[in-house]
Amino acid sequence: AQSVTQLGSHVSVSEGALVLLRCNYSSSVPPYLFWYVQYPNQGLQLLLKYTSAATLVKGINGFEAEFKKSETSFHLTKPSAHMSDAAEYFCAVPGYSTLTFGKGTMLLVSP
Amino acid sequence: DAGVIQSPRHEVTEMGQEVTLRCKPISGHNSLFWYRQTMMRGLELLIYFNNNVPIDDSGMPEDRFSAKMPNASFSTLKIQPSEPRDSAVYFCASTRDSPATDTQYFGPGTRLTVL
Repeated sequence: AQSVTQLGSHVSVSEGALVLLRCNYSSSVPPYLFWYVQYPNQGLQLLLKYTSAATLVKGINGFEAEFKKSETSFHLTKPSAHMSDAAEYFCAVPGYSTLTFGKGTMLLVSP
Repeated sequence: DAGVIQSPRHEVTEMGQEVTLRCKPISGHNSLFWYRQTMMRGLELLIYFNNNVPIDDSGMPEDRFSAKMPNASFSTLKIQPSEPRDSAVYFCASTRDSPATDTQYFGPGTRLTVL
């Protein structure tokens, strides 16, 4: 079954700096890939979704992710971090019957 | 349209007591999921239903946990008897169609503390 690996359980950036959160998928090319975000004391919500229509996917709040088959990656980026981006981010891929989530990366943003 | 509704938002109980968590999925959604989230184990899928039928309960920790979905608009997760290690945030989520490829909409969660 498909799985995803998120490198780094915590990533720290300064406000205004580039955000890069890493996600690699296993084995075969997945038809879908997701990034979800969880703000403090809330449930997860969809940030963006890859559906093979385009390799560069734009999401909410200025985030985007690029699907790279050669690197089996789907990294999440944002050019300039904002304090409100502090949250936990989950990469996910369709598994056997449901979504399989990565272990999450906590993004810390300092002033 | 209202999102996924969970109740209660917080629950504090004593070891050995029965706990019932409730979820109302988004109207028209066919799949419903129960997750548990802890610092140690992260986000775990406990069980999911499709058209009110349990499809995969392999994530249910043990017989103390049970889940039901009597109709399309209501589901419960019951723990009996509860133990301190059950302390976690429990999330309910729903999707319109495919449980694997459609967007999952999460509720706000129930924070359970078992003393």
